[in-house]
Amino acid sequence: DAKTTQPPSMDCAEGRAANLPCNHSTISGNEYVYWYRQIHSQGPQYIIHGLKNNETNEMASLIITEDRKSSTLILPHATLRDTAVYYCHVRTTDSWGKFQFGAGTQVVVTP
Amino acid sequence: DVKVTQSSRYLVKRTGEKVFLECVQDMDHENMFWYRQDPGLGLRLIYFSYDVKMKEKGDIPEGYSVSREKKERFSLILESASTNQTSMYLCASSFPTSGRSYIQYFGAGTRLSVL
Repeated sequence: DAKTTQPPSMDCAEGRAANLPCNHSTISGNEYVYWYRQIHSQGPQYIIHGLKNNETNEMASLIITEDRKSSTLILPHATLRDTAVYYCHVRTTDSWGKFQFGAGTQVVVTP
Repeated sequence: DVKVTQSSRYLVKRTGEKVFLECVQDMDHENMFWYRQDPGLGLRLIYFSYDVKMKEKGDIPEGYSVSREKKERFSLILESASTNQTSMYLCASSFPTSGRSYIQYFGAGTRLSVL
């Protein structure tokens, strides 16, 4: 699986959009991009995933560049409950490929 | 909703003890995983299983073993606990979704302290 690089931390004002970048320059053609988040003292929670098209669900939007070497998770209207560590993860469709999460981005939403 | 349940939220054990961490999922998932999480290191995969009685080593299997006798249950075993195994342990499960992608569902975690 490709490695990912994320900034260690970022702040966001409540009600504003939070844009979380992820670099995955070694991604291969069959690897999906996944985003998870982990609120303090809880297990990680799935947010969204995509292959090459932009995706949107009730939680967030995922923008993947045309060359697929980077992506951005967008939380459109951040709330205090969105304060968490956000993990970007890429992996193949092979069901027993190795999984590896990086250190993630600590997002703090402030009032 | 998918539910992944870990048997304990907090455990305190002594060095040299045999420790069992249990995980149960209720969605008939084929794949199950054990991770540990340490400050600044993110999540690291210990072992995973893609079927009953099948297991594969992750990135840090040393000092651990696993057991999967039933599809819904995946156990992590510390044969002789050591202080460097003090950590947060997370269990996850997954099954293939449409579009050949996989989503992992995590338990709440077990915070293990080895004294």
